[in-house]
Amino acid sequence: ILNVEQSPQSLHVQEGDSTNFTCSFPSSNFYALHWYRWETAKSPEALFVMTLNGDEKKKGRISATLNTKEGYSYLYIKGSQPEDSATYLCAFYGGATNKLIFGTGTLLAVQP
Amino acid sequence: ETGVTQSPTHLIKTRGQQVTLRCSSQSGHNTVSWYQQALGQGPQFIFQYYREEENGRGNFPPRFSGLQFPNYSSELNVNALELDDSALYLCASSPGTASGANVLTFGAGSRLTVL
Repeated sequence: ILNVEQSPQSLHVQEGDSTNFTCSFPSSNFYALHWYRWETAKSPEALFVMTLNGDEKKKGRISATLNTKEGYSYLYIKGSQPEDSATYLCAFYGGATNKLIFGTGTLLAVQP
Repeated sequence: ETGVTQSPTHLIKTRGQQVTLRCSSQSGHNTVSWYQQALGQGPQFIFQYYREEENGRGNFPPRFSGLQFPNYSSELNVNALELDDSALYLCASSPGTASGANVLTFGAGSRLTVL
């Protein structure tokens, strides 16, 4: 059974703090790793899709790195703002499964 | 461009009944996938349709079935509802061939409660 683990499960930070969370996934048959941001009562919104080992992507204050050999990705948020409060989901796509496997998400709460 | 829209947003059914959930894909997208998110879990892949054909399925029983129409909108049908089918059902569309590197555009989901 392929497993995607995210940690921590939840995180409370103060406005202005920088934070990061982890997504662990199988290191074999890697094809792509997705990150989505999901605000309450809204649709999940794509942040990044990464396919190459060593990929680093950035979108404003949010960035992500990818290590396919050891099976992990980090998501970083610099200078967290209250509007960053959301659940951050990662999803692994492996060549053997042909389906996206999601983690359970990291719930981020940013206190003003 | 319009996003992904799902209907209904909420519904309540009883055990044994059947339900149909609907999804309109984003303009220009020809692939639709469906996910079930139960409480405390991440979205679980149900199946995917590409150009009106099912081309991938997760670990869900045959009472979960679907359709994709020529305009690429889609339906998810669940027969013989069970209490454990209570969940948020998400639809996502993506462009081009059914590739794992394509970004998904999600709808806001249909919340199903089975009593």
